[in-house]
Amino acid sequence: DTGVSQDPRHKITKRGQNVTFRCDPISEHNRLYWYRQTLGQGPEFLTYFQNEAQLEKSRLLSDRFSAERPKGSFSTLEIQRTEQGDSAMYLCASRAEGTEAFFGQGTRLTVV
Amino acid sequence: EDQVTQSPEALRLQEGESSSLNCSYTVSGLRGLFWYRQDPGKGPEFLFTLYSAGEEKEKERLKATLTKKESFLHITAPKPEDSATYLCAVQGSGSARQLTFGSGTQLTVLP
Repeated sequence: DTGVSQDPRHKITKRGQNVTFRCDPISEHNRLYWYRQTLGQGPEFLTYFQNEAQLEKSRLLSDRFSAERPKGSFSTLEIQRTEQGDSAMYLCASRAEGTEAFFGQGTRLTVV
Repeated sequence: EDQVTQSPEALRLQEGESSSLNCSYTVSGLRGLFWYRQDPGKGPEFLFTLYSAGEEKEKERLKATLTKKESFLHITAPKPEDSATYLCAVQGSGSARQLTFGSGTQLTVLP
C-alpha cells in the first residue's frame, strides 16, 4: 500500500464554481478525516467518517461543504459556490482503531 | 475546548546546534499527543505518539517527552535535512478522536 492518496494535488477555480476533491485512504483503515490548513497554521478538523457513516462535522464547516464516503472506501469533499476564503490546503487522513493518523499529500485549492 | 500552543514560531539553528521545541496543551481527557513533521507543500508525516506523563520516544536525532501540561521535541546535533515545520497535536476524548493541532514551529538548520 502506498499510503493515503489525494487527487488533484492542485486546483485553481473561479469564485462561485463548485469543486470536488477525492481521497483514497490506506485500505485497511476504516476511519477517515478531512482537515483544512491555511498558511502558517496547523490543520483544522472538518469532518470524520467511520466506515461509510459521517459521524462528526466541525461547527466551523459551512453548509457549502459536503463530504461522502460511499461503501466505506474512498471519500469526496465538495465545496459549492467557492469563495476566496476557501483557499487552503485540504488534507485527508486515515487510521485504524487505536493507531495514529496518516495524512495524504493534500489538495491545494486556490480560488481566484 | 482542546488547545495547543507551540513555541517558538520559528527557529534557526546552525548544523550541530541542539535545541528544543515546546508544545503546551489543554485537553479534556488526553488520549494521545502526536508530533508530525511537515515539509513545504506536503502533508504531515507522523513522528511520535505519547500517551502518558513521563513517557519518552526517540527516533534518530529526535526525542519527544511528555508532562501533564506540555511536550518537548528535542533535536540533537541537527542536520540541514531536519529543516521542516514540526506540528504538535492532541487527541481528546471526543467521539471522533480528531486531532487538535498547534500552529507549528518552522525549523531551519543552516549548514
